Amino acid sequence: AQSVTQLGSHVSVSEGALVLLRCNYSSSVPPYLFWYVQYPNQGLQLLLKYTSAATLVKGINGFEAEFKKSETSFHLTKPSAHMSDAAEYFCAVSAYTGTASKLTFGTGTRLQVTL
Amino acid sequence: DTAVSQTPKYLVTQMGNDKSIKCEQNLGHDTMYWYKQDSKKFLKIMFSYNNKELIINETVPNRFSPKSPDKAHLNLHINSLELGDSAVYFCASSQGNYNEQFFGPGTRLTVL
Repeated sequence: AQSVTQLGSHVSVSEGALVLLRCNYSSSVPPYLFWYVQYPNQGLQLLLKYTSAATLVKGINGFEAEFKKSETSFHLTKPSAHMSDAAEYFCAVSAYTGTASKLTFGTGTRLQVTL
Repeated sequence: DTAVSQTPKYLVTQMGNDKSIKCEQNLGHDTMYWYKQDSKKFLKIMFSYNNKELIINETVPNRFSPKSPDKAHLNLHINSLELGDSAVYFCASSQGNYNEQFFGPGTRLTVL
């Protein structure tokens, strides 16, 4: 079974400050890991993904995440927050279950960016 | 061009009614999904189809029945709607199982 834990349901940062959204995963097989962003009243958009290649993954909009197997973590960072980054962020793990690959989401972290 | 589209965007209905949500993808993907997002934003997979074959069927009431007439379409029919069915339903598609999933804009279902 696989699971994802996102620490902090709500994170607030000032514009220009570092963004750090935490994600820890549990998987019995090598995982694929994803970060998605959801803007208000919209669907989910892929930010980046880890698929067992480079452990530091760069995504869209200046975001990146580092896969750390020893810590079972896949934290999302951005050096400088913009107002437009305010949204809900979801970490997800995908692992093959024998018949299909299933994407399991964390509970989400709402990012607030203040002036 | 919309990659994954859903209709309707909003659906308001009375308890006990039957309703359908339609999903279409023009990405040429072979796998499609239905997710339910509850009021706390928690996303949970309901069903997945690969080449029109059901491959994931989570613990979902029998009142929910997916249908995939072809690889580009996946519809969700819900019988005897209940208050607890109120949620946002997202359709998604991917090429194969491990690749990233592309999500539709969602259908907000409100059961009164």
